Amino acid sequence: DTAVSQTPKYLVTQMGNDKSIKCEQNLGHDTMYWYKQDSKKFLKIMFSYNNKELIINETVPNRFSPKSPDKAHLNLHINSLELGDSAVYFCASSQHRTGQAYGYTFGSGTRLTVV
Amino acid sequence: SQQGEEDPQALSIQEGENATMNCSYKTSINNLQWYRQNSGRGLVHLILIRSNEREKHSGRLRVTLDTSKKSSSLLITASRAADTASYFCATASSGGSYIPTFGRGTSLIVHP
Repeated sequence: DTAVSQTPKYLVTQMGNDKSIKCEQNLGHDTMYWYKQDSKKFLKIMFSYNNKELIINETVPNRFSPKSPDKAHLNLHINSLELGDSAVYFCASSQHRTGQAYGYTFGSGTRLTVV
Repeated sequence: SQQGEEDPQALSIQEGENATMNCSYKTSINNLQWYRQNSGRGLVHLILIRSNEREKHSGRLRVTLDTSKKSSSLLITASRAADTASYFCATASSGGSYIPTFGRGTSLIVHP
């Protein structure tokens, strides 16, 4: 049973397109996150939701819009894709927003390539 | 937001040797965590140490935390080829929004 699952695993698309990445967790966690990992492996937090409420919104272009229909899902929609958006996007969840109890559980990532 | 930084960026050792990686951070933390990432995969949680703890063990892993120096170290003893991966530290800051931030990782290669 996959704890944090994100789809698709790979996404190749042209500049200017709009795309979505979906994430679901079956752990009953309260908090979910989106991270972007660049080619140098630097992981940067993008968004965090706690019980469907946005609690972290780092400096991310407003072309990126997270949506959390319920606390088990956090989707990421990206408008007008640019070449610089190419990266691996990771969804994660934690029982508490500090990750205090058991840390963060990550999905396997979505490799986005914009051509 | 604060950011953990791992050192060294890359480490290459022989199987059986110990591997030590360090992490430094800038502001007060609630806890610090270490993760492993195999090539092309997601991050896997290894160990969490709270700000009031100084050392923690899990199998061949030993983590230390020095809050006065704002640093942590991860020691992998008797390394194996399967330990080849990138290792990241993550800090959850105390107070405020508890933004979980990661460093750039240490790339460990263990040669058989």
